[in-house]
Amino acid sequence: AAGVIQSPRHLIKEKRETATLKCYPIPRHDTVYWYQQGPGQDPQFLISFYEKMQSDKGSIPDRFSAQQFSDYHSELNMSSLELGDSALYFCASSPPGGSYNEQFFGPGTRLTVL
Amino acid sequence: GDSVTQMEGPVTLSEEAFLTINCTYTATGYPSLFWYVQYPGEGLQLLLKATKADDKGSNKGFEATYRKETTSFHLEKGSVQVSDSAVYFCALRGSNDYKLSFGAGTTVTVRA
Repeated sequence: AAGVIQSPRHLIKEKRETATLKCYPIPRHDTVYWYQQGPGQDPQFLISFYEKMQSDKGSIPDRFSAQQFSDYHSELNMSSLELGDSALYFCASSPPGGSYNEQFFGPGTRLTVL
Repeated sequence: GDSVTQMEGPVTLSEEAFLTINCTYTATGYPSLFWYVQYPGEGLQLLLKATKADDKGSNKGFEATYRKETTSFHLEKGSVQVSDSAVYFCALRGSNDYKLSFGAGTTVTVRA
């Protein structure tokens, strides 16, 4: 079965650079979520999109922005990168339906900021 | 706001031992509860879930029961294997929410 695809899987950037992470949800899933997991930490919710509109916002820095496109894929744009942005970034998707639908996670993008 | 408190690790067990990871939550309304597992170097996989009080989620020999009276969702497995070594996260989804709130994670190591 198709899973959530994230690219790139690994990314190394310098401080103050920008990065773009991409997420391709499972086909026919209409909701996308972004989470950040720091080293040894639990995943923290950043932002979510439903039908291309922002549906919820968590602890996402102002330096970050995201959007969901017409084909439902999503991109997380990160600017002025800081050392503390080094983390595993997960994207998850869920199908149409009620709030009980589970979230299917991608393998994550490991971002290292030097 | 909604939150999850999870038993701290790490937990080290011998094969065939009994595993319990405690999880309690704070939430308004009727949240859905989940256990996710993260194997080394991999993403999060849903292990089991429960969407209402007294529901029991089960998968791969793991079980957890949604106890509203004690606001708990403890994970149990009767006989662990080396392949169960992973980090386990308890998570909550509020009744009016889309996002998941995770516990701190419990690292489980099973030795042969």
